[in-house]
Amino acid sequence: QVQLVQSGGGWVKPGGSLRLSCAASGVTLSDYYMSWIRQAPGKGLEWVSYIRSAGTTTYYADSVEGRFTISRDNAKNSLHLQMNSLRVEDTAVYYCANFEHWGQGTLVTVSS
Amino acid sequence: DIQMTQSPSSLSASVGDRVTITCRASQDIRSDLDWFQQKPGKAPKRLIFGASSLQSGVPSRFSGSGSGTDFTLTISSLQPEDFATYYCLQYSGYLWTFGQGTKVEIK
Repeated sequence: QVQLVQSGGGWVKPGGSLRLSCAASGVTLSDYYMSWIRQAPGKGLEWVSYIRSAGTTTYYADSVEGRFTISRDNAKNSLHLQMNSLRVEDTAVYYCANFEHWGQGTLVTVSS
Repeated sequence: DIQMTQSPSSLSASVGDRVTITCRASQDIRSDLDWFQQKPGKAPKRLIFGASSLQSGVPSRFSGSGSGTDFTLTISSLQPEDFATYYCLQYSGYLWTFGQGTKVEIK
């Protein structure tokens, strides 16, 4: 059974940093393109970033480019999102996914 | 960047109705499109991948069609458990985008 279990998130002041993690079981993350997707309260889905299955090529939405960094730890079969210079508009539930399988989501709140 | 225009933004339908949701891409995306269903407080669930392939375990009343710029998700006979919000996702090129979503409500 495939599970993506997310951790991290919480409340942070504008300008602060947070790191999200996504631990996989039943699937090898390095076999897939892995993404982070977010959903602001009451809003639709927004793709944030992905990392390719081969190597470490990464891509980011314009809204987070230069502030967020996606990475993968193959030894621990986990995915991460380092979020720096956080803004109020980054407040959202964040999901990790290979689109067939999704994490449970974790809430990030950016507020003073 | 590729923009996805999804319509309608919401619709009201009855159990047993045939429902059609469309996504239009701002440029040719071949068949690089998935459809998702999301219920309140839950993670999305993939229904269709590659524009027309049914995800394992998804009822056959769901179908997807289209290629290039115009895509359709069809629910052939709406069931009570299908009331949810639906999203398309394009993954052509380097940057990916979701449609704005379609909320399917009970008439």
